[in-house]
Amino acid sequence: QQQVKQSPQSLIVQKGGISIINCAYENTAFDYFPWYQQFPGKGPALLIAIRPDVSEKKEGRFTISFNKSAKQFSLHIMDSQPGDSATYFCAAIQGAQKLVFGQGTRLTINP
Amino acid sequence: SQTIHQWPATLVQPVGSPLSLECTVEGTSNPNLYWYRQAAGRGLQLLFYSVGIGQISSEVPQNLSASRPQDRQFILSSKKLLLSDSGFYLCAWRRLIEQFFGPGTRLTVL
Repeated sequence: QQQVKQSPQSLIVQKGGISIINCAYENTAFDYFPWYQQFPGKGPALLIAIRPDVSEKKEGRFTISFNKSAKQFSLHIMDSQPGDSATYFCAAIQGAQKLVFGQGTRLTINP
Repeated sequence: SQTIHQWPATLVQPVGSPLSLECTVEGTSNPNLYWYRQAAGRGLQLLFYSVGIGQISSEVPQNLSASRPQDRQFILSSKKLLLSDSGFYLCAWRRLIEQFFGPGTRLTVL
């Protein structure tokens, strides 16, 4: 019940396209859902996050869509660029508990 | 602003040698601190976390140990490294619900 399942494991998108990464969870007590971006050889960086009381959050080209009833949330990258090529992790947390991470998605944007 | 440091950045050690990785956080007090390991091309495995000086919780029984001798210092250690200890070690700190990662240490055990 503490798992967060992320898909796909890897994704290739053409430059200018939309990248979509999906996550699903079981624990309805989760109350914060961040996404992290990790470039090779670097630590993950907090990209964008959402709380379950909103259905969508947008920051620049990055949007989180949240479906509370389906217990799913997704990251959309609009107008994907080669510089967006990285590994993306979704995560979930309940209050002061530990973050639960998805397995990661390796995104490649072809020029 | 808060900053998290890890050193060394890279390390190559022989099997059976000891290990000490250090993590320090600046600009905050009494942070929750975490050690993660990431195998090549894999996800993040939580190893240890600490909510205060001398308070360590272990997530996975293994060849490693952690200590927190000071409020903003977190150390990952091993007495004898195994080949399977190779990986990318990440320290993280947490402010309220947001968690921030350090730059990582690449450990190769030969």
